[in-house]
Amino acid sequence: DTGVSQNPRHKITKRGQNVTFRCDPISEHNRLYWYRQTLGQGPEFLTYFQNEAQLEKSRLLSDRFSAERPKGSFSTLEIQRTEQGDSAMYLCASLSWNTEAFFGQGTRLTVV
Amino acid sequence: SQELEQSPQSLIVQEGKNLTINCTSSKTLYGLYWYKQKYGEGLIFLMMLQKGGEEKSHEKITAKLDEKKQQSSLHITASQPSHAGIYLCGADKSGSARQLTFGSGTQLTVLP
Repeated sequence: DTGVSQNPRHKITKRGQNVTFRCDPISEHNRLYWYRQTLGQGPEFLTYFQNEAQLEKSRLLSDRFSAERPKGSFSTLEIQRTEQGDSAMYLCASLSWNTEAFFGQGTRLTVV
Repeated sequence: SQELEQSPQSLIVQEGKNLTINCTSSKTLYGLYWYKQKYGEGLIFLMMLQKGGEEKSHEKITAKLDEKKQQSSLHITASQPSHAGIYLCGADKSGSARQLTFGSGTQLTVLP
């Protein structure tokens, strides 16, 4: 399978714990996005990488959120001190120049 | 809040009926994407429109982008239960693909 891969698919965590999600984009894609999606809403943009550089960050990305893309390959999204409001589906997408964005299956986070 | 307005929010149709979903932006779009999402899963790419007046079709789905590149419609002919899902329009508002934004989606139910 050469699509976008996200791990884990599901994560249940207690409030206050830290969580980290991983995204493996399509190998030749230099652009990578993270989105958050809550029930009944479309995906909300969180951040954008071009290669290893983080070029855009939404104001939704509070200080508790951090994303990295070392070496311009896979990316991680970490949420520190999780809150119940962080419960959502976290989606990763990658694309190359002038192509559509390919999405992973997402990581569903539940904070209890 | 979403900057792309989709209508209707939900749609229930009888199998075999035609339907149209609309996506409107107050600003000129540099690229307009249509995706389909099954509940709890990632987004599946349907079509990308870039030029004013462009129209694309795939199987029974046709998407159009108006001349001003501010409105798009997705039309399904002779709907089937397999068409059920959430339809999302997404757009590149900057021309650099640094931030792809999405509408809130249209939930389509097709009754057999």
